[in-house]
Amino acid sequence: QSVVTQPPSASGTPGQRVTISCSGSTSNIGSNTVNWYQQLPGTAPTLLIYSNNQRPSGVPDRFSGSKSGTSASLAISGLQSEDEADYYCAAWDDSLNGRVFGGGTKLTVL
Amino acid sequence: QVQLVESGGGVVQPGRSLRLSCAASGFTFSNYAMHWVRQAPGKGLEWVAAISYDGSDKYYADSVKDRFTISRDNSKNTLYLQMNSLRADDTAVYYCVRDQRLDYWGQGTLVTVSS
Repeated sequence: QSVVTQPPSASGTPGQRVTISCSGSTSNIGSNTVNWYQQLPGTAPTLLIYSNNQRPSGVPDRFSGSKSGTSASLAISGLQSEDEADYYCAAWDDSLNGRVFGGGTKLTVL
Repeated sequence: QVQLVESGGGVVQPGRSLRLSCAASGFTFSNYAMHWVRQAPGKGLEWVAAISYDGSDKYYADSVKDRFTISRDNSKNTLYLQMNSLRADDTAVYYCVRDQRLDYWGQGTLVTVSS
């Protein structure tokens, strides 16, 4: 049972906008920045969003992140078939003195 | 370009030990904190351990504390994970990951703990 909670699944049709939520507590999301990772089937994860809302070079601006209090969200606009993947949020947890991941959200493009 | 190549995985019996290595290239290894993250078959990501850029600070998940040891050799650009008293629930792909942002990941090495 992860201390950071994500919905197990999400879906959308091509061109749609979808959001994935990430809920934590004051010891993790509430006091530290959130990163998001994308894991395409059969591959290693890649960094998608860091410091709540920053995109690494090469990440399309269709992907955006936000944080408010103890929750964060990843938004994907103009959904494409290649966005079908697992998405994970993560933050440092001051109580555990370690990094925590959300359980992951499997995004299906219908 | 940044490359992280893990090695040392394999099949090991419960209670035995294994040491993973991660060879880093394409960046100044000694400037970055490093992490190990694992993923059990069909499951999500689990952070395992982290080490500061100079090796002076180390952090562990409760699930591996007192059994696993993270270390690094900056002269060899290599990260290590010594895993002792292995259990079946340690079975996973182990990833070597750079920086506090976890910005670059290796391809992973599979550790299977089974009798």
